[in-house]
Amino acid sequence: GAGVSQSPSNKVTEKGKDVELRCDPISGHTALYWYRQRLGQGLEFLIYFQGNSAPDKSGLPSDRFSAERTGESVSTLTIQRTQQEDSAVYLCASSRGLAGVGYEQYFGPGTRLTVT
Amino acid sequence: TQLLEQSPQFLSIQEGENLTVYCNSSSVFSSLQWYRQEPGEGPVLLVTVVTGGEVKKLKRLTFQFGDARKDSSLHITAAQPGDTGLYLCAGSIMDTGRRALTFGSGTRLQVQP
Repeated sequence: GAGVSQSPSNKVTEKGKDVELRCDPISGHTALYWYRQRLGQGLEFLIYFQGNSAPDKSGLPSDRFSAERTGESVSTLTIQRTQQEDSAVYLCASSRGLAGVGYEQYFGPGTRLTVT
Repeated sequence: TQLLEQSPQFLSIQEGENLTVYCNSSSVFSSLQWYRQEPGEGPVLLVTVVTGGEVKKLKRLTFQFGDARKDSSLHITAAQPGDTGLYLCAGSIMDTGRRALTFGSGTRLQVQP
C-alpha cells in the first residue's frame, strides 16, 4: 500500500547552498508534520500543517527554514544557506487528524541531509 | 530543556531477559505514544495511552501510563533480537498549547542472541 514517501533519500550539499526536501503524504491525511532527527537523538518538531489552518511553524530553528504544502498533498521543506549543523535526517509524517489528540502518525523513511 | 526524559539512553541485554524503559516529564500529557524505530526507517507506532493508570499489552510488551499522566513505562518480557531498535515516547503536552507531539530522546535497545 502507499505509505508516506520522501525524496531524495540522501542529499549531500555544500555549506551555503539551498536544499529542498519533498514529502508525499498518505492520500486523505489532513495533517502533515516535519521533524528533524540528529544522529542518535529523538525527533525535533519543526512544523505541521492541518487542513486549511495556518501552519504551526513554532519549531523552525531559524528563518533559513521554511515549508509549504499544496492543499492536502505534497509538502516541501526548504533550507536556505545550509550550515553544517543542519546535517540530520528529516522525517515527514502524516495523519488523519492532529497527532496531539491521538491520531496515529505514519512516518516516511526520511531524507538524510549531509552538509559538507 | 528536554520536556520528555527517557531512560536508560542505551540498553544491551541478552535474549530472554526482561527490561523496562521509562519516559518522564514534569508536564501533564493529554495522550502519550510509544514508537519503535529501526535504522534507516521512520518510527512506527506501538501504542497510544490516554487515561491515567492505563495499562496496555501488545504481546510481550506492556505499556503503563502514570496516574498523573506525567510518566510512562514500557516493559518487555523475554526480549528477542527482533526487539532491537530505538524506542521513542512522544506526547501531547497540555500546557504547551501545541497540537504536535513532543518526542523524547529515545532508548536504544540491543538484544544479543
